[in-house]
Amino acid sequence: NAGVTQTPKFQVLKTGQSMTLQCAQDMNHNSMYWYRQDPGMGLRLIYYSASEGTTDKGEVPNGYNVSRLNKREFSLRLESAAPSQTSVYFCASSDFGQDGYTFGSGTRLTVV
Amino acid sequence: DAKTTQPPSMDCAEGRAANLPCNHSTISGNEYVYWYRQIHSQGPQYIIHGLKNNETNEMASLIITEDRKSSTLILPHATLRDTAVYYCIVRASGGSNDMRFGAGTRLTVKP
Repeated sequence: NAGVTQTPKFQVLKTGQSMTLQCAQDMNHNSMYWYRQDPGMGLRLIYYSASEGTTDKGEVPNGYNVSRLNKREFSLRLESAAPSQTSVYFCASSDFGQDGYTFGSGTRLTVV
Repeated sequence: DAKTTQPPSMDCAEGRAANLPCNHSTISGNEYVYWYRQIHSQGPQYIIHGLKNNETNEMASLIITEDRKSSTLILPHATLRDTAVYYCIVRASGGSNDMRFGAGTRLTVKP
């Protein structure tokens, strides 16, 4: 089925470890986004890529880096994980204009 | 400086219409109203959006007041599977970093 695929679905890290969250979309969308959602709260934008070759910071970029590998793929990297980064991470994509976003099913990350 | 205000929770009887309100009194002329929902811990799902005219699709209807300061999302025949958190968002057309999710309204559909 067409959509946004995130891997892994679950991950437990120790403080200081690094990891990369993967996201791929097959809808030929131009823009891609990374959000995090802490328990009981709304989503907050970490980074976004308006088009292939560009990336920009969102509301909460500290502690993260991103790579827009190609039009399909947008990865999120935690260089040195901290317990405060325990969250559910959602990737989304959209086309230009006023279209709504399509979200992936999320990566549940726990940092101990 | 939230752009929208929604009630934290609402209940609705199964089979009845669910009317979810949203206030956006500072909306600008080029900003659209978007609605998403999030069922349990899944990724948010886009429902509908509009600028100033009422909109309808297979999921819901969106009613925007003439002054555009408020809107209502209508689920015409709510089912138990519509239990979710519903987010109302205002966003300018073509923006890339301004789909901001607040706390939303937790809708519980009861049998």
